[in-house]
Amino acid sequence: SQQGEEDPQALSIQEGENATMNCSYKTSINNLQWYRQNSGRGLVHLILIRSNEREKHSGRLRVTLDTSKKSSSLLITASRAADTASYFCATAFTGTASKLTFGTGTRLQVTL
Amino acid sequence: DTAVSQTPKYLVTQMGNDKSIKCEQNLGHDTMYWYKQDSKKFLKIMFSYNNKELIINETVPNRFSPKSPDKAHLNLHINSLELGDSAVYFCASSQASNSGNTIYFGEGSWLTVV
Repeated sequence: SQQGEEDPQALSIQEGENATMNCSYKTSINNLQWYRQNSGRGLVHLILIRSNEREKHSGRLRVTLDTSKKSSSLLITASRAADTASYFCATAFTGTASKLTFGTGTRLQVTL
Repeated sequence: DTAVSQTPKYLVTQMGNDKSIKCEQNLGHDTMYWYKQDSKKFLKIMFSYNNKELIINETVPNRFSPKSPDKAHLNLHINSLELGDSAVYFCASSQASNSGNTIYFGEGSWLTVV
């Protein structure tokens, strides 16, 4: 399966702490994206990192990509209760840029 | 103002029935998708259309038939519903790009087959 896998499956932290989620995949990619899904809602795009990029920032989000290890990480700094959601990585494999394959997701719980 | 809208949001139906889910996007995108999310939150692509043409058709039973009357609409018709079809179905759209597509999702349609 080309599906990515997130680690951990679930993460519980306190507000103000940092949250780190990891994603691993199996084949060469064109790009990797992270999405957030609030309970009962659709997925929302957070950030896209291309295969020739190593790090990208967007507000409190920091994404890294290591193509040699076929892995990516999403760091959320100074977490807030509103960050509580499931986070998915999605990979567009080389030659199939229009098809995103989603990982299994990390459920993040941020408590006050 | 909803970018990708799908109806109905909730659908409860009996086994064997036929049902449709409609989807419309007002983003001007040329590519639309149907994804299925099961009870374990696993999200899998079912179909993708680009300018009304089918470009991705994953291993999906032929009871599922997508229809794209124009590039802003992609409907999903399901025949002879089975218990295992119970899931959340997400419509999505994107603008084709060689550098990577950002996908915009609808809010989902919760299908329960009883």
